[in-house]
Amino acid sequence: EDKVVQSPLSLVVHEGDTVTLNCSYEVTNFRSLLWYKQEKKAPTFLFMLTSSGIEKKSGRLSSILDKKELFSILNITATQTGDSAIYLCAVGSNYGGSQGNLIFGKGTKLSVKP
Amino acid sequence: DAGVIQSPRHEVTEMGQEVTLRCKPISGHNSLFWYRQTMMRGLELLIYFNNNVPIDDSGMPEDRFSAKMPNASFSTLKIQPSEPRDSAVYFCASSLGRRYQAFFGQGTRLTVV
Repeated sequence: EDKVVQSPLSLVVHEGDTVTLNCSYEVTNFRSLLWYKQEKKAPTFLFMLTSSGIEKKSGRLSSILDKKELFSILNITATQTGDSAIYLCAVGSNYGGSQGNLIFGKGTKLSVKP
Repeated sequence: DAGVIQSPRHEVTEMGQEVTLRCKPISGHNSLFWYRQTMMRGLELLIYFNNNVPIDDSGMPEDRFSAKMPNASFSTLKIQPSEPRDSAVYFCASSLGRRYQAFFGQGTRLTVV
């Protein structure tokens, strides 16, 4: 059965700290791995990773994929209270040759204290 | 673009009633997904459509759930009859072709009492 496992489930840090969120997966016909940030409402897209070893960066956030070891990490440096959210990892797969779908992990709840 | 639009935003209904959730995907997107999110199970895919055709409905909990996509700009998720365990936030998302950057609607928070 396809699965995506995120760790830790929750994390509390102080502003300025650096955090690393983990995502491991077991998916047949892997296509891509995506990170989303979910605050109060809908998940919003952060990164899509398809190749191993290539870091994606956006400001203080960065992510990298290891397709051999089947995991990805999301790093946030110099955290701010606005980074408080649930971070979701999702893996896109091909299914029967069609467009595929996303399999989500349960998320990591990050709380950044002032 | 207004993004993925879902309605209603909140729904409170009594057990046994029929519930219909609605979704308007982003114009031009040809894949549409219905997800359910709960604290216990996280985000679960219920069903997804490609070019208005249901491709995978293995996530639909049981026969009480049904989904339709009569055209490229509209989809419904129906629960009949509803049960308290159906209480959750239901998200609709759409994506363009083989790009898996799915864009999510704001969700419908369903409470069945």
